[in-house]
Amino acid sequence: DAGVIQSPRHEVTEMGQEVTLRCKPISGHDYLFWYRQTMMRGLELLIYFNNNVPIDDSGMPEDRFSAKMPNASFSTLKIQPSEPRDSAVYFCASQKARTDTQYFGPGTRLTVL
Amino acid sequence: DAKTTQPPSMDCAEGRAANLPCNHSTISGNEYVYWYRQIHSQGPQYIIHGLKNNETNEMASLIITEDRKSSTLILPHATLRDTAVYYCIVRVEATGDYKLSFGAGTTVTVRA
Repeated sequence: DAGVIQSPRHEVTEMGQEVTLRCKPISGHDYLFWYRQTMMRGLELLIYFNNNVPIDDSGMPEDRFSAKMPNASFSTLKIQPSEPRDSAVYFCASQKARTDTQYFGPGTRLTVL
Repeated sequence: DAKTTQPPSMDCAEGRAANLPCNHSTISGNEYVYWYRQIHSQGPQYIIHGLKNNETNEMASLIITEDRKSSTLILPHATLRDTAVYYCIVRVEATGDYKLSFGAGTTVTVRA
């Protein structure tokens, strides 16, 4: 298996622009997670899905952030409008139900100018 | 989930064992100890987990004290590629809530 796939790997955009991050989980995994990592706040969970349904979005910072999972093999995290403080590395992870290992993607490094 | 306390950093000589401590004094009876690591610029990677018995796999060993208030991750023969941030996480085992709460972790530097 190719593992969790994220795109793009790097994104540079200007303040106010819409940003869409993409994730393809490992086939057969039931859970998908979006994390954000910054120097100040460390690695924090934004939202996670079970069988394409959002279960907990309490970590989503504000209404500018939204996440969707239209099918079992694809999820997006959208920021609209983007702000410089959104600059971070965004990780997607997936996990199979009743197992113990969460598999992380390589991350998307977002820079908002 | 119980909180954990780890030293912010530690050095280790290549080829020697690296012993990474973690304190989780408020751990509940049904909470497991998980270890992940994050090599620079990569996503975190699962290492090992356990409840109360010592565990070993191809990557590391996990030693949990009898009162379960602390544990030690052991990398038996550290290599330069083991340089990473190591996270100790306590949570209930896979029963539906799979959230991971990452703390600051321990930055381990393996030196030649």
